[in-house]
Amino acid sequence: DTGVSQDPRHKITKRGQNVTFRCDPISEHNRLYWYRQTLGQGPEFLTYFQNEAQLEKSRLLSDRFSAERPKGSFSTLEIQRTEQGDSAMYLCASSLYSGSSLYFGAGTRLSVL
Amino acid sequence: GQQLNQSPQSMFIQEGEDVSMNCTSSSIFNTWLWYKQDPGEGPVLLIALYKAGELTSNGRLTAQFGITRKDSFLNISASIPSDVGIYFCAGAPLFNFGNEKLTFGTGTRLTIIP
Repeated sequence: DTGVSQDPRHKITKRGQNVTFRCDPISEHNRLYWYRQTLGQGPEFLTYFQNEAQLEKSRLLSDRFSAERPKGSFSTLEIQRTEQGDSAMYLCASSLYSGSSLYFGAGTRLSVL
Repeated sequence: GQQLNQSPQSMFIQEGEDVSMNCTSSSIFNTWLWYKQDPGEGPVLLIALYKAGELTSNGRLTAQFGITRKDSFLNISASIPSDVGIYFCAGAPLFNFGNEKLTFGTGTRLTIIP
């Protein structure tokens, strides 16, 4: 399978804990995106990278959220001091270049108890 | 964050029926996209529209980019069981060259009644 891969698929954590999710994009894609989807809603843009550069992060929901793509390949999204309102599906997508189609992964579903 | 308005919110149809759904925005977009999402999966791109007035087909699916750039429509002809899922529209901003920062609609859930 050469699609976008996300790990883990599900994460259950207690409030206040830190969590980290990983995304492996399609191998030749230099753009990587993070979206969040809450129940009954469409995905909401969070941040994106071109290679290792994070080009937009103003939409990250708070300073508890951070994302990295250190070598321009896989990316991680970290949420510190999780809150119940962080419970959602976190989707990663990649594209070959600006303007080309986004391909989404299956997402990581986070449940904060 | 902003979400585009999709209607209807849900549809219950019989196999073989045609389906129509639409998406409206208060803002202008330069790209309109339609995605389908199955339970537990990420959205999958169905159709992309890049020009106002454009009408594009993908098999039984046809989508149109509204002339005002503030709306789009998706039609599915002769529905089949695998069409079941949630359909999302998405738009890219007017001055955004690429498809970054897509704004998604609220979704239309399609159910086929046996």
